Amino acid sequence: AQTVTQSQPEMSVQEAETVTLSCTYDTSESNYYLFWYKQPPSRQMILVIRQEAYKQQNATENRFSVNFQKAAKSFSLKISDSQLGDTAMYFCAFMSGDTGNQFYFGTGTSLTVIP
Amino acid sequence: EPEVTQTPSHQVTQMGQEVILRCVPISNHLYFYWYRQILGQKVEFLVSFYNNEISEKSEIFDDQFSVERPDGSNFTLKIRSTKLEDSAMYFCATHGPSSRDEQYFGPGTRLTVT
Repeated sequence: AQTVTQSQPEMSVQEAETVTLSCTYDTSESNYYLFWYKQPPSRQMILVIRQEAYKQQNATENRFSVNFQKAAKSFSLKISDSQLGDTAMYFCAFMSGDTGNQFYFGTGTSLTVIP
Repeated sequence: EPEVTQTPSHQVTQMGQEVILRCVPISNHLYFYWYRQILGQKVEFLVSFYNNEISEKSEIFDDQFSVERPDGSNFTLKIRSTKLEDSAMYFCATHGPSSRDEQYFGPGTRLTVT
């Protein structure tokens, strides 16, 4: 079974600063996808960024970027120029490219952006 | 932008009652999922559904649960004889037509069992 680990239950960052959220995963597969989802207080799950394991280039979406280290099975999320609206739970998720399409989620990191 | 919708947004039910949670997927999506998130915990996979049958299910998805797509549009999760520990947010997610497409999550249904 796949496992996803987020070792930082809570983090905080000053507005306009940069913060990095950690995620590691365990799998024996070589074909898979990794995601970061944001869950604000409304509890809606919002896709932040997605990375295909076969791509060496790290994904970037505006202020959000990832550091994907396939050999180390690490997938961290960097948020630049943090904004108050970034305050939320952030979940890292794994999806196999070969054996089913369900997501395996980490336990989440609660991020607070401090004005 | 198309979106997945779920009804109701909040359901309160008494222990032992049956509930049906509904999801309307994006129109051309073919793969459907239910996830559960107990308050303060991570999101957990329950079941996936494709071509009118269950593709995979987790250990959580026991005989108490069932899914169907009765009218070709709504995708439902039925929980029979609810228990206190069934209280959670239930998220529907859909994608398609490729199995590699992004999953879109609905806003969730908060189920409270009293």
